[in-house]
Amino acid sequence: GENVEQHPSTLSVQEGDSAVIKCTYSDSASNYFPWYKQELGKRPQLIIDIRSNVGEKKDQRIAVTLNKTAKHFSLHITETQPEDSAVYFCAASKGGSNDYKLSFGAGTTVTVRA
Amino acid sequence: NAGVTQTPKFQVLKTGQSMTLQCAQDMNHNSMYWYRQDPGMGLRLIYYSASEGTTDKGEVPNGYNVSRLNKREFSLRLESAAPSQTSVYFCASRWGEGYGYTFGSGTRLTVV
Repeated sequence: GENVEQHPSTLSVQEGDSAVIKCTYSDSASNYFPWYKQELGKRPQLIIDIRSNVGEKKDQRIAVTLNKTAKHFSLHITETQPEDSAVYFCAASKGGSNDYKLSFGAGTTVTVRA
Repeated sequence: NAGVTQTPKFQVLKTGQSMTLQCAQDMNHNSMYWYRQDPGMGLRLIYYSASEGTTDKGEVPNGYNVSRLNKREFSLRLESAAPSQTSVYFCASRWGEGYGYTFGSGTRLTVV
Protein backbone atom coordinates (compact mmCIF):
# COMPACT_ATOMS: atom_id res chain seq x y z
CA GLY A 1 0.00 0.00 0.00
CA GLU A 2 0.88 3.68 -0.01
CA ASN A 3 3.53 4.82 2.48
CA VAL A 4 3.72 8.50 3.43
CA GLU A 5 6.69 9.83 5.36
CA GLN A 6 6.60 13.26 7.00
CA HIS A 7 9.44 15.44 8.30
CA PRO A 8 10.22 16.97 10.69
CA SER A 9 8.27 15.47 13.57
CA THR A 10 8.56 18.72 15.55
CA LEU A 11 9.16 22.27 14.38
CA SER A 12 9.63 25.40 16.48
CA VAL A 13 9.60 28.78 14.75
CA GLN A 14 9.66 32.40 15.80
CA GLU A 15 6.46 34.31 15.20
CA GLY A 16 6.62 35.93 11.79
CA ASP A 17 9.04 33.37 10.36
CA SER A 18 8.14 30.68 7.81
CA ALA A 19 7.54 27.01 8.47
CA VAL A 20 8.03 24.19 5.97
CA ILE A 21 6.87 20.59 6.35
CA LYS A 22 7.88 17.94 3.82
CA CYS A 23 6.26 14.64 2.86
CA THR A 24 7.22 11.87 0.49
CA TYR A 25 4.97 9.16 -0.91
CA SER A 26 5.74 5.79 -2.42
CA ASP A 27 2.96 5.04 -4.93
CA SER A 28 3.25 6.89 -8.23
CA ALA A 29 -0.49 6.32 -8.76
CA SER A 30 -1.30 8.74 -5.91
CA ASN A 31 -2.97 11.84 -7.29
CA TYR A 32 -4.54 13.73 -4.39
CA PHE A 33 -2.63 15.29 -1.49
CA PRO A 34 -4.48 17.02 1.37
CA TRP A 35 -3.06 18.68 4.47
CA TYR A 36 -4.81 18.65 7.84
CA LYS A 37 -4.36 20.84 10.90
CA GLN A 38 -5.24 19.47 14.32
CA GLU A 39 -5.36 21.80 17.29
CA LEU A 40 -5.04 20.35 20.77
CA GLY A 41 -8.13 18.34 21.68
CA LYS A 42 -9.85 19.05 18.35
CA ARG A 43 -10.56 17.12 15.18
CA PRO A 44 -8.23 17.23 12.15
CA GLN A 45 -9.43 19.84 9.67
CA LEU A 46 -8.56 20.14 6.00
CA ILE A 47 -6.58 23.32 5.35
CA ILE A 48 -5.41 22.89 1.78
CA ASP A 49 -5.15 20.19 -0.86
CA ILE A 50 -3.53 19.70 -4.23
CA ARG A 51 -4.17 17.39 -7.13
CA SER A 52 -1.50 15.83 -9.29
CA ASN A 53 -2.23 18.00 -12.31
CA VAL A 54 -1.17 21.10 -10.34
CA GLY A 55 2.34 21.98 -9.13
CA GLU A 56 1.50 24.63 -6.55
CA LYS A 57 -1.51 26.02 -4.74
CA LYS A 58 -1.80 28.99 -2.38
CA ASP A 59 -4.40 30.12 0.10
CA GLN A 60 -3.44 33.29 1.92
CA ARG A 61 -0.45 32.41 4.16
CA ILE A 62 -0.33 28.72 3.31
CA ALA A 63 0.88 27.05 0.14
CA VAL A 64 1.49 23.51 -1.00
CA THR A 65 3.93 22.39 -3.69
CA LEU A 66 4.04 19.03 -5.43
CA ASN A 67 6.92 17.37 -7.27
CA LYS A 68 5.49 14.28 -8.97
CA THR A 69 8.82 13.17 -10.37
CA ALA A 70 10.45 13.09 -6.94
CA LYS A 71 7.20 11.99 -5.25
CA HIS A 72 7.25 14.65 -2.60
CA PHE A 73 5.05 17.53 -1.53
CA SER A 74 5.47 20.30 0.99
CA LEU A 75 3.42 22.68 3.11
CA HIS A 76 4.66 26.25 3.50
CA ILE A 77 3.30 28.61 6.13
CA THR A 78 4.49 32.21 5.88
CA GLU A 79 4.34 34.94 8.53
CA THR A 80 3.56 32.42 11.24
CA GLN A 81 1.24 33.41 14.07
CA PRO A 82 0.57 31.81 17.48
CA GLU A 83 -2.69 30.33 16.16
CA ASP A 84 -0.65 28.30 13.66
CA SER A 85 0.60 26.16 16.57
CA ALA A 86 -0.90 22.70 15.99
CA VAL A 87 -0.16 19.24 14.64
CA TYR A 88 -0.12 19.08 10.84
CA PHE A 89 -0.70 15.88 8.87
CA CYS A 90 -0.03 15.27 5.22
CA ALA A 91 -1.87 12.55 3.33
CA ALA A 92 -2.00 10.90 -0.09
CA SER A 93 -4.69 9.10 -2.00
CA LYS A 94 -4.35 6.78 -4.94
CA GLY A 95 -6.32 7.40 -8.07
CA GLY A 96 -8.43 4.66 -9.55
CA SER A 97 -8.87 2.76 -6.30
CA ASN A 98 -12.34 1.92 -5.07
CA ASP A 99 -11.70 2.47 -1.38
CA TYR A 100 -10.76 6.17 -1.50
CA LYS A 101 -8.53 5.75 1.55
CA LEU A 102 -6.14 8.43 2.61
CA SER A 103 -2.70 7.36 3.84
CA PHE A 104 -1.46 9.77 6.51
CA GLY A 105 1.99 10.88 7.54
CA ALA A 106 2.89 10.64 11.22
CA GLY A 107 2.35 14.36 11.85
CA THR A 108 4.44 17.45 12.61
CA THR A 109 3.97 19.38 15.83
CA VAL A 110 4.47 23.06 15.04
CA THR A 111 5.10 25.51 17.85
CA VAL A 112 5.15 29.24 17.09
CA ARG A 113 7.14 31.19 19.70
CA ALA A 114 5.94 34.68 20.48
CA ASN B 1 -25.86 20.79 8.03
CA ALA B 2 -24.03 19.11 10.95
CA GLY B 3 -21.29 17.34 8.92
CA VAL B 4 -20.06 14.24 10.79
CA THR B 5 -21.58 13.60 14.20
CA GLN B 6 -20.05 11.17 16.68
CA THR B 7 -21.50 9.93 19.94
CA PRO B 8 -20.58 9.70 22.73
CA LYS B 9 -17.84 12.31 23.17
CA PHE B 10 -16.39 10.65 26.27
CA GLN B 11 -16.70 7.14 27.66
CA VAL B 12 -15.11 5.11 30.44
CA LEU B 13 -15.42 1.33 30.23
CA LYS B 14 -14.30 -1.49 32.44
CA THR B 15 -12.20 -4.25 30.89
CA GLY B 16 -14.47 -6.78 29.21
CA GLN B 17 -17.43 -4.44 28.70
CA SER B 18 -18.82 -3.81 25.25
CA MET B 19 -19.96 -0.64 23.58
CA THR B 20 -20.83 0.86 20.20
CA LEU B 21 -19.53 4.17 18.91
CA GLN B 22 -21.98 5.88 16.62
CA CYS B 23 -21.19 7.99 13.57
CA ALA B 24 -23.55 9.74 11.17
CA GLN B 25 -22.94 12.12 8.27
CA ASP B 26 -25.42 14.32 6.45
CA MET B 27 -23.27 15.24 3.42
CA ASN B 28 -24.34 12.33 1.21
CA HIS B 29 -20.77 10.99 1.28
CA ASN B 30 -20.18 7.52 -0.11
CA SER B 31 -17.20 6.43 2.00
CA MET B 32 -16.83 6.32 5.77
CA TYR B 33 -13.86 5.48 8.00
CA TRP B 34 -12.93 4.79 11.61
CA TYR B 35 -9.52 5.85 12.92
CA ARG B 36 -7.86 5.72 16.29
CA GLN B 37 -5.33 8.26 17.44
CA ASP B 38 -2.81 7.51 20.16
CA PRO B 39 -0.06 9.88 21.36
CA GLY B 40 2.84 9.83 18.93
CA MET B 41 1.13 7.28 16.66
CA GLY B 42 -0.73 9.50 14.25
CA LEU B 43 -3.99 8.29 12.72
CA ARG B 44 -4.41 4.55 12.27
CA LEU B 45 -7.24 3.11 10.17
CA ILE B 46 -9.40 0.53 11.96
CA TYR B 47 -12.14 -0.21 9.42
CA TYR B 48 -13.68 1.50 6.46
CA SER B 49 -16.71 1.36 4.22
CA ALA B 50 -16.00 2.43 0.65
CA SER B 51 -19.71 2.47 -0.17
CA GLU B 52 -23.01 1.50 1.38
CA GLY B 53 -23.14 -2.25 1.85
CA THR B 54 -19.38 -2.83 2.00
CA THR B 55 -16.89 -2.86 4.88
CA ASP B 56 -13.18 -3.72 4.97
CA LYS B 57 -10.39 -3.99 7.51
CA GLY B 58 -7.81 -1.31 7.93
CA GLU B 59 -4.41 -1.65 9.57
CA VAL B 60 -5.57 -2.23 13.19
CA PRO B 61 -8.92 -4.12 13.07
CA ASN B 62 -8.40 -6.63 15.88
CA GLY B 63 -10.92 -6.27 18.70
CA TYR B 64 -13.37 -4.22 16.63
CA ASN B 65 -16.36 -4.76 14.38
CA VAL B 66 -18.29 -2.33 12.22
CA SER B 67 -21.70 -1.94 10.64
CA ARG B 68 -22.61 0.32 7.74
CA LEU B 69 -26.25 0.66 8.68
CA ASN B 70 -27.16 2.84 5.70
CA LYS B 71 -25.45 5.54 3.66
CA ARG B 72 -25.48 7.96 6.60
CA GLU B 73 -24.42 5.77 9.51
CA PHE B 74 -21.30 3.75 10.29
CA SER B 75 -20.89 2.28 13.78
CA LEU B 76 -17.85 0.81 15.52
CA ARG B 77 -18.29 -1.89 18.14
CA LEU B 78 -15.92 -3.07 20.83
CA GLU B 79 -17.09 -6.50 21.92
CA SER B 80 -14.79 -6.94 24.93
CA ALA B 81 -12.90 -3.77 25.74
CA ALA B 82 -9.22 -3.96 26.70
CA PRO B 83 -6.96 -1.26 28.20
CA SER B 84 -5.02 -1.25 24.89
CA GLN B 85 -8.14 0.20 23.26
CA THR B 86 -7.89 3.37 25.32
CA SER B 87 -7.64 6.00 22.60
CA VAL B 88 -9.35 8.83 20.79
CA TYR B 89 -11.57 7.52 18.00
CA PHE B 90 -12.39 9.58 14.93
CA CYS B 91 -15.00 8.85 12.33
CA ALA B 92 -14.55 10.42 8.90
CA SER B 93 -16.42 10.51 5.62
CA ARG B 94 -15.44 11.29 2.07
CA TRP B 95 -17.42 11.97 -1.09
CA GLY B 96 -14.96 10.19 -3.36
CA GLU B 97 -11.70 10.39 -5.24
CA GLY B 98 -10.09 13.80 -5.29
CA TYR B 99 -11.79 14.96 -2.12
CA GLY B 100 -10.61 15.08 1.47
CA TYR B 101 -12.07 13.61 4.60
CA THR B 102 -14.43 15.39 6.93
CA PHE B 103 -13.80 14.27 10.49
CA GLY B 104 -16.17 14.00 13.40
CA SER B 105 -15.28 15.60 16.73
CA GLY B 106 -13.98 12.36 18.20
CA THR B 107 -14.74 10.00 21.08
CA ARG B 108 -12.29 9.84 23.95
CA LEU B 109 -12.45 6.28 25.30
CA THR B 110 -10.76 5.08 28.46
CA VAL B 111 -10.74 1.39 29.38
CA VAL B 112 -9.85 0.66 33.00
